[in-house]
Amino acid sequence: EIVLTQSPATLSLSPGERATLSCRASQSVSTSLAWYQQKPGQAPRLLIYDASNRAIGIPARFSGSGSGTDFTLTISSLEPEDFAVYYCQHRSNWPLFTFGPGTKVDFK
Amino acid sequence: EVQLLESGGGLVQPGGSLRLSCAASGFTFSSYAMNWVRQAPGKGLEWVSTVSGGGGSTYYADSVKGRFTISRDNSKNTVYVQMNSLGAEDTAVYYCAKLVRVGGTGFDYWGQGTLVTVSS
Repeated sequence: EIVLTQSPATLSLSPGERATLSCRASQSVSTSLAWYQQKPGQAPRLLIYDASNRAIGIPARFSGSGSGTDFTLTISSLEPEDFAVYYCQHRSNWPLFTFGPGTKVDFK
Repeated sequence: EVQLLESGGGLVQPGGSLRLSCAASGFTFSSYAMNWVRQAPGKGLEWVSTVSGGGGSTYYADSVKGRFTISRDNSKNTVYVQMNSLGAEDTAVYYCAKLVRVGGTGFDYWGQGTLVTVSS
């Protein structure tokens, strides 16, 4: 079973700063990785699918990169609405999908 | 506009059963795998189950295998999960979600969630 590790657990930043979130897989997952944003009381929102493709309606300040075991979600300049929890997700043969534990981006 | 609307959540006693439904609209339902994801209070996301577009293939997390059954009715654009032998560990908000593309990684549309509480 492939395990996803997200770092840091919490990222304290100010609006306008660049956010770099990491997701590491215990084995290669090729580009089978997605990123989500979740705010309190809301369903998750897909940001990036298949490692680097922005989902419909997602602003260009969000970008995903990586392949194999190391992946990065970058928010180029934080907007106030970007403070949330971010999850990565991977697809494999078994279990079919797995989520990482999340990174919380909060105000410094 | 894509919409997913879950229903069927509520309070159930330990050992009991519940069936959740998710009514979909705004896309060609039968062309996409559908998924259930849950989130226990204050915790992260946990994938629960997936059913292929035609309904012929189903997948489960180990934590629910043998207790939950996912199914879909493409004539009604609805996906279901039958949950049996429920325990306190199944208490969570349950979301249905659409797979972004065949073979892809990512759920691009989510319902609002329905809360399942297992308690005596």
